[in-house]
Amino acid sequence: GAGVSQTPSNKVTEKGKYVELRCDPISGHTALYWYRQSLGQGPEFLIYFQGTGAADDSGLPNDRFFAVRPEGSVSTLKIQRTERGDSAVYLCASSMGPGRANTGELFFGEGSRLTVL
Amino acid sequence: GNSVTQMEGPVTLSEEAFLTINCTYTATGYPSLFWYVQYPGEGLQLLLKATKADDKGSNKGFEATYRKETTSFHLEKGSVQVSDSAVYFCALSGDSGNKLVFGAGTILRVKS
Repeated sequence: GAGVSQTPSNKVTEKGKYVELRCDPISGHTALYWYRQSLGQGPEFLIYFQGTGAADDSGLPNDRFFAVRPEGSVSTLKIQRTERGDSAVYLCASSMGPGRANTGELFFGEGSRLTVL
Repeated sequence: GNSVTQMEGPVTLSEEAFLTINCTYTATGYPSLFWYVQYPGEGLQLLLKATKADDKGSNKGFEATYRKETTSFHLEKGSVQVSDSAVYFCALSGDSGNKLVFGAGTILRVKS
């Protein structure tokens, strides 16, 4: 499809395990964002990529969280030693270029729901 | 830091009722303001936006006015439909234009 694609849509894992969540942005979009949405809360910013580089990772909660975008397209969010508090929906968004949050031109995927038992 | 507060839900209305969802914000500088909507089983999508004070954003019968004096951006619709049932998020953009700050979301349920 033409939208932002996220896989898996659902992931159940055990405490302490390693998890990878994938985001495939809209073709041609150079900016990519990860957000986390906990139950009953709005999405919270995690990290923003412009091209291959993480331009702003100020929202990553701790060093168990890491994200890459090696070729400037697909991105993977990696969570090590998962904890129950990591359970949330992880949202990915993309935009044509930087600064597009100001104009609302962010396109969101449906999210990956992570449950840590 | 920047923050958004919106009214708690769920809000339950009958079809054709008037809708208001309150949103207030705290921000440095002059952010843009947004309402995003999440329909069941779908991703977040932009509903409307306003980029400066006194601007009115509108779409699909919804509207909201950027009120700098009251730091508010309340969402309104004159006559809701069952298809408007969704979660509504108020949001603002940060100074860099690369980060959105969202409210907690308000669930709207419209009954026929």
